[in-house]
Amino acid sequence: TQLLEQSPQFLSIQEGENLTVYCNSSSVFSSLQWYRQEPGEGPVLLVTVVTGGEVKKLKRLTFQFGDARKDSSLHITAAQPGDTGLYLCAGGSSNTGKLIFGQGTTLQVKP
Amino acid sequence: DADVTQTPRNRITKTGKRIMLECSQTKGHDRMYWYRQDPGLGLRLIYYSFDVKDINKGEISDGYSVSRQAQAKFSLSLESAIPNQTALYFCATSDGGRAWEQYFGPGTRLTVT
Repeated sequence: TQLLEQSPQFLSIQEGENLTVYCNSSSVFSSLQWYRQEPGEGPVLLVTVVTGGEVKKLKRLTFQFGDARKDSSLHITAAQPGDTGLYLCAGGSSNTGKLIFGQGTTLQVKP
Repeated sequence: DADVTQTPRNRITKTGKRIMLECSQTKGHDRMYWYRQDPGLGLRLIYYSFDVKDINKGEISDGYSVSRQAQAKFSLSLESAIPNQTALYFCATSDGGRAWEQYFGPGTRLTVT
């Protein structure tokens, strides 16, 4: 069974701080997605990475896919209160055509 | 208008009742999914459909059934609701060519008393 472990599960920081969220597995994934979810809404896709070692940037967010395609990280620079939410990683398998989700990281950024 | 809609948005029902959650999409995607979300457990796949005639069980399908009435419509039924089915339920869609990029509806909060 493929599993994705996210860490930390909860993160409370002050505005302006940097943070990193990790997503790890013992399995190889064909792709890795990061989603952000706000209360009362569904997850919204932020980014997809498909190549080992790939790095993508979205404003203050930097996403990296591990060389072996088993892990990923999300780094936020100078966090803002608007970054508050639940961040979910999800791995895609070409064998099954399905996504496996991590447990999520709840981020709170205090003004 | 939203690309993926779910009805109802909130529902309270009693143990043993049959309930149906509905999902519609205007994205033209061929693939549709039903997930449930519980605190600390992320999203878990209940059922998925790659096209109207292709429906598959996910990791937690017991107690649930689905119907793909058309490419744009995918409904989830709880035949006899039980309290541990209290959760947030999400419908999602994707295009077969970029299957892992899924687009989610706003969710249904279901409470079984």
